[in-house]
Amino acid sequence: DTAVSQTPKYLVTQMGNDKSIKCEQNLGHDTMYWYKQDSKKFLKIMFSYNNKELIINETVPNRFSPKSPDKAHLNLHINSLELGDSAVYFCASRGTGGEETQYFGPGTRLLVL
Amino acid sequence: GENVEQHPSTLSVQEGDSAVIKCTYSDSASNYFPWYKQELGKRPQLIIDIRSNVGEKKDQRIAVTLNKTAKHFSLHITETQPEDSAVYFCAALMDTGRRALTFGSGTRLQVQP
Repeated sequence: DTAVSQTPKYLVTQMGNDKSIKCEQNLGHDTMYWYKQDSKKFLKIMFSYNNKELIINETVPNRFSPKSPDKAHLNLHINSLELGDSAVYFCASRGTGGEETQYFGPGTRLLVL
Repeated sequence: GENVEQHPSTLSVQEGDSAVIKCTYSDSASNYFPWYKQELGKRPQLIIDIRSNVGEKKDQRIAVTLNKTAKHFSLHITETQPEDSAVYFCAALMDTGRRALTFGSGTRLQVQP
């Protein structure tokens, strides 16, 4: 159950602040993702990294900056938080080769006041 | 890019009945189709998946069917139980390029005891 972990689990902050969310996976996977789940439960890809290299960068404001210090970690830093950033952010990872299954972290519930 | 549509958005069934959720996808290059179950406040968890070289896959009370020609796939849950109540997401993954899941909008399944 701790294969993909995220911290913090909850984050409440004021508009304009800067915050970070951390993700770690101990599955030995090469690819990691950040997804955003909005209030209507819609899950959307934000970023993908493969072996510390950015692969996908969807239409996400540049206030969001992912960082992968090594292939087991993918952090998300958000500058100048806005009300619309309130959501649940899920980290996920996937193995190599023909392994397609993505394993999700527990999520970080961000509330911007 | 890929677009995945999911229906219905809500589904209420009596315990013991069957439930069917349908999805269509737009990109014929997609070749992997997972289904995730998300309980309230929890992470999405894979319940079953199917690859494009297979038309049907079954795991106990859960089955998935795929029609590549029509570009649609369905989740079938038989003998539903109250613990099946959750939000179910279909997703599609292309073989090349982005390799990130495109999710449907989710189906909230309520199994009435």
